[in-house]
Amino acid sequence: GAVVSQHPSWVICKSGTSVKIECRSLDFQATTMFWYRQFPKQSLMLMATSNEGSKATYEQGVEKDKFLINHASLTLSTLTVTSAHPEDSSFYICRGGGLAGEETQYFGPGTRLLVL
Amino acid sequence: KNQVEQSPQSLIILEGKNCTLQCNYTVSPFSNLRWYKQDTGRGPVSLTIMTFSENTKSNGRYTATLDADTKQSSLHITASQLSDSASYICVVTLNTGTASKLTFGTGTRLQVTL
Repeated sequence: GAVVSQHPSWVICKSGTSVKIECRSLDFQATTMFWYRQFPKQSLMLMATSNEGSKATYEQGVEKDKFLINHASLTLSTLTVTSAHPEDSSFYICRGGGLAGEETQYFGPGTRLLVL
Repeated sequence: KNQVEQSPQSLIILEGKNCTLQCNYTVSPFSNLRWYKQDTGRGPVSLTIMTFSENTKSNGRYTATLDADTKQSSLHITASQLSDSASYICVVTLNTGTASKLTFGTGTRLQVTL
């Protein structure tokens, strides 16, 4: 089956710094990447959708200048949390899409972000 | 409003016992319904997927059912194991014609004990 990896798996940073999270599709071309955020004991919330080579589409309430998404290739999408604050601490998960004739629903393993 | 509601919120069962998790949805138009298992600190892993015309789908000890008329689904776990302890999430795909959108339930947290 299709595999999606994320790096790093966890990160601790100081308030005000920027953190980059990578999402890679290992055995398929992900024309679309979906980024989710999950707070403890809550469901996954879609943050943004990115298509390879074009600008990401952000969900209502998600600041595009704070959560920078780059989808420069068919196997790599990155999410950068700029000037992170403690309230940005969360579990960030990506999902790759794009297999021909099938909606891919393979999630990455997630990245735990803790902002001190 | 498109919603997916799951019950119970949490469940504790003894190892070896069976259990059934429920999912009610109001998503329309409906494309498919998936059950995921999410271990703590990990991404969701797909267990089953069912389209409108399917009533049941099995994956090992997991059996999902779907009643598209009443918009209800269930996930039955047989002979539970300690490793089944996780959150189980029901996800319904909304088909808008030009794109698909996933609507997530809040999950059921299952704990299997000795």
